[in-house]
Amino acid sequence: GENVEQHPSTLSVQEGDSAVIKCTYSDSASNYFPWYKQELGKRPQLIIDIRSNVGEKKDQRIAVTLNKTAKHFSLHITETQPEDSAVYFCAATPMDSSYKLIFGSGTRLLVRP
Amino acid sequence: NAGVTQTPKFRVLKTGQSMTLLCAQDMNHEYMYWYRQDPGMGLRLIHYSVGEGTTAKGEVPDGYNVSRLKKQNFLLGLESAAPSQTSVYFCASSSPGQGYDEQFFGPGTRLTVL
Repeated sequence: GENVEQHPSTLSVQEGDSAVIKCTYSDSASNYFPWYKQELGKRPQLIIDIRSNVGEKKDQRIAVTLNKTAKHFSLHITETQPEDSAVYFCAATPMDSSYKLIFGSGTRLLVRP
Repeated sequence: NAGVTQTPKFRVLKTGQSMTLLCAQDMNHEYMYWYRQDPGMGLRLIHYSVGEGTTAKGEVPDGYNVSRLKKQNFLLGLESAAPSQTSVYFCASSSPGQGYDEQFFGPGTRLTVL
């Protein structure tokens, strides 16, 4: 089945710097890759997603890139702000389903003011 | 709209006790999911449902049962709780759309099994 690995597990950056979180997946048939943000004590919320027919997608300070050949995708946050501090999860859809998600283990991002 | 709601928010059980977690959504979503979240392990799918009256196993189904008698509700049951089931449980729902729609999560239930 699908396996999603996420790195790093923790990331500390200075306010204004960029942050990059990387994920790899095992199922070459996976075709949907969302990213969720979870603030402390809150529920996960979708922040951006990308489909397999697109190599990059941007939404203001957030971007996601996908390399299907290498089976990895990354989240890029530019001009980080303290409110970006949270746990970020990547996910991928397994081959047998387009609606189930397999999540990575999460990255705790700390933005130092 | 309330979105996805879960009850209870917190619960403490003794080993061997049973309980049911309730998830409700008012978005008319077809699909519903139960996840557990443990430190360092992300979100793992327990069971899911693609419509009223249907359920299926996810990654970690052992020790849990589910029912989807009404489209808006998805129940997660623990028949005989074990300390290994101490976790935060999240329910989510989605609408098929083109097949990759966003999953909307509930606020979570923190369960401790002593």
